[in-house]
Amino acid sequence: QQQVKQSPQSLIVQKGGISIINCAYENTAFDYFPWYQQFPGKGPALLIAIRPDVSEKKEGRFTISFNKSAKQFSLHIMDSQPGDSATYFCAASPTGGATNKLIFGTGTLLAVQP
Amino acid sequence: DAGVTQSPTHLIKTRGQQVTLRCSPKSGHDTVSWYQQALGQGPQFIFQYYEEEERQRGNFPDRFSGHQFPNYSSELNVNALLLGDSALYLCASSPLAGASGEQFFGPGTRLTVL
Repeated sequence: QQQVKQSPQSLIVQKGGISIINCAYENTAFDYFPWYQQFPGKGPALLIAIRPDVSEKKEGRFTISFNKSAKQFSLHIMDSQPGDSATYFCAASPTGGATNKLIFGTGTLLAVQP
Repeated sequence: DAGVTQSPTHLIKTRGQQVTLRCSPKSGHDTVSWYQQALGQGPQFIFQYYEEEERQRGNFPDRFSGHQFPNYSSELNVNALLLGDSALYLCASSPLAGASGEQFFGPGTRLTVL
């Protein structure tokens, strides 16, 4: 029940296209769902996060869609750019992300081709 | 603002040795969490420190221990190193009362056990 399942494992998108990464969870006690971006040799950096009281959150080219009943959430990257090429991780945290552990998915390696 | 800093950047040890990794949290943050990221995997929660005490612990053996100092910096100690301990060790900091839930990650320490 502590797992977060992420797909696909890797993704190739043309420049200007839409990148979509999906995650699913089982534990209904999770209430904070962030997405992190990680470049080689760097630590993960927060991209965008959502709580279950909203179904969608948009920040620039990045959008999280959240389906509470299906226990699924996804990251959409609009107008994908070569600079977006990185590994993306979804995560979930039980009650209040600042004080609780993050449970990460296995990651998606995104390659945006010019 | 220097953000989360970790030292050393890289470390090579042999089986059976002991290692100490260090982390300085982002200014204003009082909670430090440690994660282990194996190659090609998502980060796995090791433990979290607040007010110099371990508040939460993930599924890691007692060989993994930590400490937090009065200035909120933290150490991760691993005893009796195994080959499987080779990984990127990430430190994340957050404010205990942070409303956003965001955890800021450092660049990590790459540990290689030979």
